[in-house]
Amino acid sequence: LAKTTQPISMDSYEGQEVNITCSHNNIATNDYITWYQQFPSQGPRFIIQGYKTKVTNEVASLFIPADRKSSTLSLPRVSLSDTAVYYCLVGDIMQAAGNKLTFGGGTRVLVKP
Amino acid sequence: EAQVTQNPRYLITVTGKKLTVTCSQNMNHEYMSWYRQDPGLGLRQIYYSMNVEVTDKGDVPEGYKVSRKEKRNFPLILESPSPNQTSLYFCASSFPGGNTEAFFGQGTRLTVV
Repeated sequence: LAKTTQPISMDSYEGQEVNITCSHNNIATNDYITWYQQFPSQGPRFIIQGYKTKVTNEVASLFIPADRKSSTLSLPRVSLSDTAVYYCLVGDIMQAAGNKLTFGGGTRVLVKP
Repeated sequence: EAQVTQNPRYLITVTGKKLTVTCSQNMNHEYMSWYRQDPGLGLRQIYYSMNVEVTDKGDVPEGYKVSRKEKRNFPLILESPSPNQTSLYFCASSFPGGNTEAFFGQGTRLTVV
């Protein structure tokens, strides 16, 4: 499993765009990049997933450069309710060992008024 | 509504008193797993199941048991709880593959005194 590195914390203000970059230098050919969001005392929630280039949904955008050694989660116009921990995960689509999700420390995002 | 349901949400028990935390999903997922989350240690996988009657150990299985008699249910059993099992527990389910979305339950906060 590819190891991921992301900043421990980030502060932002309401209405700003938040960009969280995750490093995964050892990403393998079969690996997808997935981001989860977790509020205090709640289970993680899937945000977005991608393999290469750019993916956008109603919540966020995910930018993946051609070498795939990093990815950036972009949260447009954040609100106070976006305060949470964001996890970057890398998973193998051919994974046989039970879909284990390896969560690192995540990035704690604090949105201020 | 697609969901993973855990019960109970909160539990305080005494050392050595057997307990079961239930987990049920309504999405016909083959894969289910249990995680525990502790401050500074992140989310760690306890056990997982790739289908009915197929279970295997995760990273921290000691002191836990699981069973998968039905596809929708995956209970976590603590035969003789100890204080070091005080934690926040999450059940998750998904279809197979590292590029699938995992759905998490609301969590069970367990305190063993």
